[in-house]
Formats: sequence, structure tokens, C-alpha cells
Amino acid sequence: DQQVKQNSPSLSVQEGRISILNCDYTNSMFDYFLWYKKYPAEGPTFLISISSIKDKNEDGRFTVFLNKSAKHLSLHIVPSQPGDSAVYFCAASARRSGGYQKVTFGTGTKLQVIP
Amino acid sequence: DSGVTQTPKHLITATGQRVTLRCSPRSGDLSVYWYQQSLDQGLQFLIHYYNGEERAKGNILERFSAQQFPDLHSELNLSSLELGDSALYFCASSPPPRVSYGYTFGSGTRLTVV
Repeated sequence: DQQVKQNSPSLSVQEGRISILNCDYTNSMFDYFLWYKKYPAEGPTFLISISSIKDKNEDGRFTVFLNKSAKHLSLHIVPSQPGDSAVYFCAASARRSGGYQKVTFGTGTKLQVIP
Repeated sequence: DSGVTQTPKHLITATGQRVTLRCSPRSGDLSVYWYQQSLDQGLQFLIHYYNGEERAKGNILERFSAQQFPDLHSELNLSSLELGDSALYFCASSPPPRVSYGYTFGSGTRLTVV
């Protein structure tokens, strides 16, 4: 059961334009959402996160939007740069007993920013 | 350098063999997580250790086992290897609970079973 879904395996965007990466989730217990970025031959790196009590979080060119009623979140990159070309993983976290987090990852979206 | 060290970076072995992947977490992090990424798949959670104790198991096969040692490094043991076990294996670490939701990943071990 894929609780975190990224339905677009790839996305191509022109440099300078907006990149929008989408993610859907099914588990209503998720209370924290994260985006990770992964370059080839490297491990994923944390990019931006949002708590379920918010609907928007912004960090420079990156903004994450959360729509709890639709169980949907999106990552906006404006403006897109060639260095943003990478695989982006959506992830969601739910507290387990004892406070330990359990993070579930999506399958990733490969973003290509064309110069 | 993320601070999470995984060795080896690459491993090629034959079917039926056993291998050990090693992970040293970031300084101060007590949790270690193991993930498997197969071709075109997301990051599949395998197992979580916290301060030497197993905390959660995900989709980990019985042929696989892990442990976290007193110095907090962790090892993932894969035995009776099959072609389908070829994948990237990532280790991640995080601080104690209630501190942060962020994981720091290592650069992974690419396992190829031939």
C-alpha cells in the first residue's frame, strides 16, 4: 500500500519558469511533510518541510503548500534553475509511540530544468 | 559530506552470498534507519534502530538483518542474495525523538548481485 504517491515520475521545465511537483497521501495520521532532493550517486538531502498545522511554508525559491482536506501537497520552485535538476522525494511523517517518527517516502519525481 | 558515512560505496557479489553494509551516523544522532531503493522505486523503509535497540521494522526480508552497536554504528546483513536484491541501500540518522523530524542520509551503497 503506497501511502505517499508521486504520480508524475518525471517533469521538464524551462529555466526561469515555475516547477510544480505534486504529492498525494492517504494516511490521515501524517502530521509532518517533507521534501528531499537527490542527485545521482548521492543520498537524499532535506529540502523543506511543513507541519500539518500550516498550509504554506516558504524558503527562498522553494515553497511547499499543504491541502489537508485533499491530502495533497505540492512543491513550487520559482524560478527554476538547471542546478535544480534532480529527483525530488515527497515524504510524510507520523508519530509513533514513544515519540519516534516514522517517515514514509514517495517514489520520486525526476525534475529536469532545461537551460 | 552529510556526516553519515556508508561503506562500501559499491559492492558486486554473486547470488547466494552474504554481505555486510556499514553505516556510521552523524555525531549526536541516536537513530539509524535503513532504506532500500530499487530501480524506479521509492525509498522502501527496512528497519529503524535507536540507541542500540530495534524500534521498527518495515519491508525487510527474513534473509536480511541489522544491528546497532554501542558506538552507534549500524550494520545491515544481507544473506542468500538474489538478483532482485540488487539496489541502492541508504542509511539515515536523526537526533533523539521530539527534537527534529529531519533525516540525514548517507550517500548509499550500491549492491549488484550477479
